Amino acid sequence: GQQLNQSPQSMFIQEGEDVSMNCTSSSIFNTWLWYKQDPGEGPVLLIALYKAGELTSNGRLTAQFGITRKDSFLNISASIPSDVGIYFCAGQTSGTYKYIFGTGTRLKVLA
Amino acid sequence: GAVVSQHPSWVICKSGTSVKIECRSLDFQATTMFWYRQFPKQSLMLMATSNEGSKATYEQGVEKDKFLINHASLTLSTLTVTSAHPEDSSFYICSARVLQDYGYTFGSGTRLTVV
Repeated sequence: GQQLNQSPQSMFIQEGEDVSMNCTSSSIFNTWLWYKQDPGEGPVLLIALYKAGELTSNGRLTAQFGITRKDSFLNISASIPSDVGIYFCAGQTSGTYKYIFGTGTRLKVLA
Repeated sequence: GAVVSQHPSWVICKSGTSVKIECRSLDFQATTMFWYRQFPKQSLMLMATSNEGSKATYEQGVEKDKFLINHASLTLSTLTVTSAHPEDSSFYICSARVLQDYGYTFGSGTRLTVV
């Protein structure tokens, strides 16, 4: 099935550092969602974006809906060990309730 | 908040047997449920979309006779893996669309191991 390209695939960072990841698509999306998944668990919604250019924060997390509607970015500031996990973007096209998921970014934080 | 309860969280079954996975919306009505499969270190792949009271819509390449989906009520959707084989071993996750909300809530997943 269709997937979104997400980068980086994985990253190791030091505690306290800022993290950036992005998601790109060849298709235009109406909605972007960012999820975090811990091992053996279902994804948990972090941030939802509904409008091109929108910038939304949730605590230390900030996400942006790209102006072209084909990409989105997630930033995590001052990372902490519990930020470890896999981060997925998900995009929704118009006329459907289905979401397509990105390939995931695996984040590891070194204390 | 909207909660989707998924059971079982893990199951081991013998090859050739069938396994049923349940997803219940606990405090809202889920007219639409999505079923995903996730292989280790991979992303979530949509298998099918189920709508209450109607037949499920399967994604290309997903065998509808093997993965039976039933969405008989607004709070319960089930996925039955029939005649399971080792290659069906995976993490299966449901997701529900919450009315009045663009958000989609996920269940906690079911790890299926077929031996």
